[in-house]
Amino acid sequence: DSGVTQTPKHLITATGQRVTLRCSPRSGDLSVYWYQQSLDQGLQFLIHYYNGEERAKGNILERFSAQQFPDLHSELNLSSLELGDSALYFCASSVTTVPDTQYFGPGTRLTVL
Amino acid sequence: GDSVTQMEGPVTLSEEAFLTINCTYTATGYPSLFWYVQYPGEGLQLLLKATKADDKGSNKGFEATYRKETTSFHLEKGSVQVSDSAVYFCALPDTGRRALTFGSGTRLQVQP
Repeated sequence: DSGVTQTPKHLITATGQRVTLRCSPRSGDLSVYWYQQSLDQGLQFLIHYYNGEERAKGNILERFSAQQFPDLHSELNLSSLELGDSALYFCASSVTTVPDTQYFGPGTRLTVL
Repeated sequence: GDSVTQMEGPVTLSEEAFLTINCTYTATGYPSLFWYVQYPGEGLQLLLKATKADDKGSNKGFEATYRKETTSFHLEKGSVQVSDSAVYFCALPDTGRRALTFGSGTRLQVQP
């Protein structure tokens, strides 16, 4: 158990819909990273928050957004969903602002029908 | 940009066989290097890391040495078990040090 929690574990929805994925980092970790894992793209970095502020963006679509709240949990919002958004979404937390050791949650499997 | 290249899988071995999973990297400077493991249905777990050239990371019988001469960080284990069956990812901080960039992953299947 990494100490990082993600909910829900599975999510099935339809094209055009909007969903919210939730992540709670390990106690004491201020950084939250979001990654997308798909069969064709592998693991792709989406976005990084540190102590409530956005620090870096990766390959995140404009239809996707995220935020980190004062209690340090983070939410990833995916809207106007397409079939190609079906993937595993992981969050990872770490103590630092630089990409060193990261602790991953169990992931949310999103299926868009 | 900074990147890692891993050997294609799947790698299929018998129990107690020797394992090598190749990883080579391209990087500016000498960043930390990582191996993560993903067991079926789970998230990634840090397996080991090395923070500078010639460092050897080790954990659970796995080892990897940071070799700047060959820009490699190959993962090795002397005797694999069925429970080692998983996907293994080599990783390093990406260009600009924004996040980790991962290799494509190598699936290991260990047969009894």
